[in-house]
Amino acid sequence: KAGVTQTPRYLIKTRGQQVTLSCSPISGHRSVSWYQQTPGQGLQFLFEYFSETQRNKGNFPGRFSGRQFSNSRSEMNVSTLELGDSALYLCASSLADRGHAEAFFGQGTRLTVV
Amino acid sequence: AQTVTQSQPEMSVQEAETVTLSCTYDTSESDYYLFWYKQPPSRQMILVIRQEAYKQQNATENRFSVNFQKAAKSFSLKISDSQLGDAAMYFCAYRSAELYGGATNKLIFGTGTLLAVQP
Repeated sequence: KAGVTQTPRYLIKTRGQQVTLSCSPISGHRSVSWYQQTPGQGLQFLFEYFSETQRNKGNFPGRFSGRQFSNSRSEMNVSTLELGDSALYLCASSLADRGHAEAFFGQGTRLTVV
Repeated sequence: AQTVTQSQPEMSVQEAETVTLSCTYDTSESDYYLFWYKQPPSRQMILVIRQEAYKQQNATENRFSVNFQKAAKSFSLKISDSQLGDAAMYFCAYRSAELYGGATNKLIFGTGTLLAVQP
């Protein structure tokens, strides 16, 4: 079974631009969560989608948004990029039921804003 | 709000020896999950072990085991017979169970412990 796939792996953008990151979960997983990892703030939860609905959101500005498609693939978008948005963005998928609480992560997208 | 604390920023262990990484958490919930994740230099976050709060028995996965002390809100990870491949950043994480505020897969992470394995 294929793991969680994130594309692209690396991205360099200029301040003010926008960016879209993609995440394909493990087949059968309906929950997709996004995290931002930086040296200063550590791992921070961005949002979670389940069956195309956002059911949880972290404390990030409205420039960060996401969506989930009917095949459970998810995208996150960051508009008007700032230097501080440079980070590793991790996506995690889960079966989201009582007996399967684990989240499985992709390899991440390294975003650099210059 | 729940918090996770890892008080050891760095640890070092000799190959084949045993090391214990500490994690404490704070929550008012009685049902939840706890995890240890490993993040090697490749940056891929890998699940090491999980513990369900309602289970008193400590989880074990091969060389990895936990000491779960619910009353003390402590969740340490013991790595036995350490190998060079165990060198990585280790994160402790908390997840609420479905009973609270609806289902969620939101993970709350600690700040991590960087483990070095000396040959």
